[in-house]
Amino acid sequence: AQKVTQAQTEISVVEKEDVTLDCVYETRDTTYYLFWYKQPPSGELVFLIRRNSFDEQNEISGRYSWNFQKSTSSFNFTITASQVVDSAVYFCALSEAGNYGGSQGNLIFGKGTKLSVKP
Amino acid sequence: GAGVSQSPRYKVAKRGQDVALRCDPISGHVSLFWYQQALGQGPEFLTYFQNEAQLDKSGLPSDRFFAERPEGSVSTLKIQRTQQEDSAVYLCASSSNRGAVDTQYFGPGTRLTVL
Repeated sequence: AQKVTQAQTEISVVEKEDVTLDCVYETRDTTYYLFWYKQPPSGELVFLIRRNSFDEQNEISGRYSWNFQKSTSSFNFTITASQVVDSAVYFCALSEAGNYGGSQGNLIFGKGTKLSVKP
Repeated sequence: GAGVSQSPRYKVAKRGQDVALRCDPISGHVSLFWYQQALGQGPEFLTYFQNEAQLDKSGLPSDRFFAERPEGSVSTLKIQRTQQEDSAVYLCASSSNRGAVDTQYFGPGTRLTVL
């Protein structure tokens, strides 16, 4: 069965601290995609990154970095030198190619991690 | 360019009323998805359109939920005889590819409260 687990419900840090948000996924498909979205208090989901299952290279974008490890089925997200504007709920999501009967294209979300960055 | 828009942003309905929620996808986007997000939870898939064809409605929770996209652009999610458990944020997303796993861009959502 397809599943995304974000074990951290809430994290609170002080500005300039580094923070890592964990994501573990389950899927039988060999072709799948992983995403991170940010949901600020305004409510709109903002796309951050998309990775496919064949590309395990880690990625860095400014203060954001992602660590994809197929061996542990994890796709963790690190924010370096956090800022107050990073405060939001962050969702990890999985999308499958549908080879094992799952729907192709729709996103399976974790429950989210609420990050609070205090000044 | 314009993103995904949804209206109304907020809707309050009395139990038993019918409601209609509208989604305007990004221009030219072939795929359109509806999700339901309960308070404190992640979004859950409801239904998927490729152009005007509804290819997957496996996530619709009951036959009171109905979605359409008659001209392959604007979509409407209709909920008949609303119940309190229907209270949630309804999110619409669109993507450019034909059902392939492309990045989905989300609208601001419609917060439905059923009294």
